Amino acid sequence: DVKVTQSSRYLVKRTGEKVFLECVQDMDHENMFWYRQDPGLGLRLIYFSYDVKMKEKGDIPEGYSVSREKKERFSLILESASTNQTSMYLCASSTPTTNEKLFFGSGTQLSVL
Amino acid sequence: DQQVKQNSPSLSVQEGRISILNCDYTNSMFDYFLWYKKYPAEGPTFLISISSIKDKNEDGRFTVFLNKSAKHLSLHIVPSQPGDSAVYFCAALRLLGEYGNKLVFGAGTILRVKS
Repeated sequence: DVKVTQSSRYLVKRTGEKVFLECVQDMDHENMFWYRQDPGLGLRLIYFSYDVKMKEKGDIPEGYSVSREKKERFSLILESASTNQTSMYLCASSTPTTNEKLFFGSGTQLSVL
Repeated sequence: DQQVKQNSPSLSVQEGRISILNCDYTNSMFDYFLWYKKYPAEGPTFLISISSIKDKNEDGRFTVFLNKSAKHLSLHIVPSQPGDSAVYFCAALRLLGEYGNKLVFGAGTILRVKS
């Protein structure tokens, strides 16, 4: 079974802090994604990566950056956390041949105070 | 600009009956439509998909119907079970090439199956 592991289940940070959210997958998937889930808005794509050191902006990249130095690890960085970045963050991975089937981690609930 | 809309925030169904979850989309260029299920404290899991060239796909108790002229799809669960209680996300996929495929999610519908 594919396992996508997010390093923290809950995080509480202060406004202005730099925040790192880590994600690791164990199935050698090429594609990795970061989404945020907000009530009434569903899942919105922040960034994705289709290969090591490659990244593409999603629909809401503002205020975020990403890093993919190794195939199995995809990090989301909040350069200066703000209260409107309080959300559930979900990491996912997939292969190019089964693009529709994303495998998600359990999520990180981030609260920015 | 919500390209995928789930207009019902919640649905309550009796165990053993049919659950019908609905989804509308605005972009005719989508190649696949998908349903994901999410339990509390877990990530969404893939449930079933349908190609845009099909009008029905069935997998056990789950059937997805696609009406392209109406830009509408629905997920039927028959019979519904208490374990089906979860949030269901409709999603639409556009294949843009080897890189950059775009998957757009709806807001989700909370399904409660009462025993």
